[in-house]
Amino acid sequence: AQSVTQLDSQVPVFEEAPVELRCNYSSSVSVYLFWYVQYPNQGLQLLLKYLSGSTLVKGINGFEAEFNKSQTSFHLRKPSVHISDTAEYFCAVNRGSLTQGGSEKLVFGKGTKLTVNP
Amino acid sequence: DGGITQSPKYLFRKEGQNVTLSCEQNLNHDAMYWYRQDPGQGLRLIYYSQIVNDFQKGDIAEGYSVSREKKESFPLTVTSAQKNPTAFYLCASNRWDQPQHFGDGTRLSIL
Repeated sequence: AQSVTQLDSQVPVFEEAPVELRCNYSSSVSVYLFWYVQYPNQGLQLLLKYLSGSTLVKGINGFEAEFNKSQTSFHLRKPSVHISDTAEYFCAVNRGSLTQGGSEKLVFGKGTKLTVNP
Repeated sequence: DGGITQSPKYLFRKEGQNVTLSCEQNLNHDAMYWYRQDPGQGLRLIYYSQIVNDFQKGDIAEGYSVSREKKESFPLTVTSAQKNPTAFYLCASNRWDQPQHFGDGTRLSIL
């Protein structure tokens, strides 16, 4: 069965510093991978997705992630963070067989709380 | 604007009471999902529906029920059999070839 491990539950950083949020997955099938962001008392917003093709994926708000099949990782990075990036970030992988581009029945990690300090 | 509307934003339940959370979407999505979020636990799938009049149990369906009578609507009922209902509930939807899109959630608390 697929699973997702987000290695850090909390990541504090200073404003304008780089950040990496780590995500490892286990899957016996081909994968689609996603990063979502959640601001307090709100739903999840898609940051970026990996379906196929280039292993470096660029998303919204200056975030990017790299798919590494050999290390089963999909780490999220941003070269310079802002106070407004303070939020919780979730990595997710599809479970089961893939439909074409679909994201049915995702498995989510437990989340990483990013706190950006001035 | 298209989107997913969850209501109410906050809900309180008395012991032994059933409550229903509303989820409506105007995105013309076929699939809809209900998740439960607890602090430090991520999201866990309760029920999902890929087509009208059909739905499947997710990982934690016990104590919950759903219906899908219309494409736009997927209400979730938290029954009295759910012993620990306090949580943040998120509804999502998608087209088969697109990522899931989320509503803003309903926070359920026990009085």
